[in-house]
Amino acid sequence: AQTVTQSQPEMSVQEAETVTLSCTYDTSENNYYLFWYKQPPSRQMILVIRQEAYKQQNATENRFSVNFQKAAKSFSLKISDSQLGDTAMYFCASASLGGSQGNLIFGKGTKLSVKP
Amino acid sequence: ETGVTQSPTHLIKTRGQQVTLRCSSQSGHNTVSWYQQALGQGPQFIFQYYREEENGRGNFPPRFSGLQFPNYSSELNVNALELDDSALYLCASSFRLGPIYNEQFFGPGTRLTVL
Repeated sequence: AQTVTQSQPEMSVQEAETVTLSCTYDTSENNYYLFWYKQPPSRQMILVIRQEAYKQQNATENRFSVNFQKAAKSFSLKISDSQLGDTAMYFCASASLGGSQGNLIFGKGTKLSVKP
Repeated sequence: ETGVTQSPTHLIKTRGQQVTLRCSSQSGHNTVSWYQQALGQGPQFIFQYYREEENGRGNFPPRFSGLQFPNYSSELNVNALELDDSALYLCASSFRLGPIYNEQFFGPGTRLTVL
C-alpha cells in the first residue's frame, strides 16, 4: 500500500521569501508519480507540480520546484519569492499506474500562511 | 472549456438518510474519481469510474456507491448516513488513454453535514 506523510501541519513565511514543505512517501510500485496540490480557502484543489518517478531531473514550474530523493522516498516542495496568493493548504500526493490508474493517495496537508 | 462542476454546494442530512451528490466532468474527460475529505485531513479515494464502470475502490463500505453516465457525468450515493460521513466530497475528472497518467482536475466539492 502507498502512504504519504507530511510532518509539518502548519508553516508561515514572509512575502518574497523562500519556504520548503516536506513530504515522505512509501510505495512498492516501480512506476509512480508524485504531486503537490494547492487547496486555497475557496477549496478547489489545483495541481502545482508533478514528478514522474523515472525522471531523475527535479520538476520546476516557475516559482515552484521539487527536491525528489528517490532512494530516501522524499519529495519536498520549494516555493520561491512567496506571494500572498500562495496562502493555502498544500497536499503531497502519489499515484501509480496500476489498479485504478490515478487513485491519488494524499498526505494530511501543510497549512501555509504567507505574511505581508 | 467548462471545468469540473459539482452540485449541490452544501447539504445537510440526518443520520440514516440517503444522499446523492453530482459531478459534471470537464469536457473531453472520460474518467471520474470521488474523494472524501474530512475536516483537517487530506482527501481519501472512494472510487473511480471509467467508461461507466467502477474501476477501482478505496476502503469504503458498500453503502457508498456510484454511477457514471454516457456523457461521463457521475453520481455518488451514500445510504444510511452516519455522523462520520460529514465531509467535503470532491470529484475529479481526467482523460484516460492507455497506460499513462493523466492529470485529474478537481471540482469545488460538496460539503455534506450529517446531524
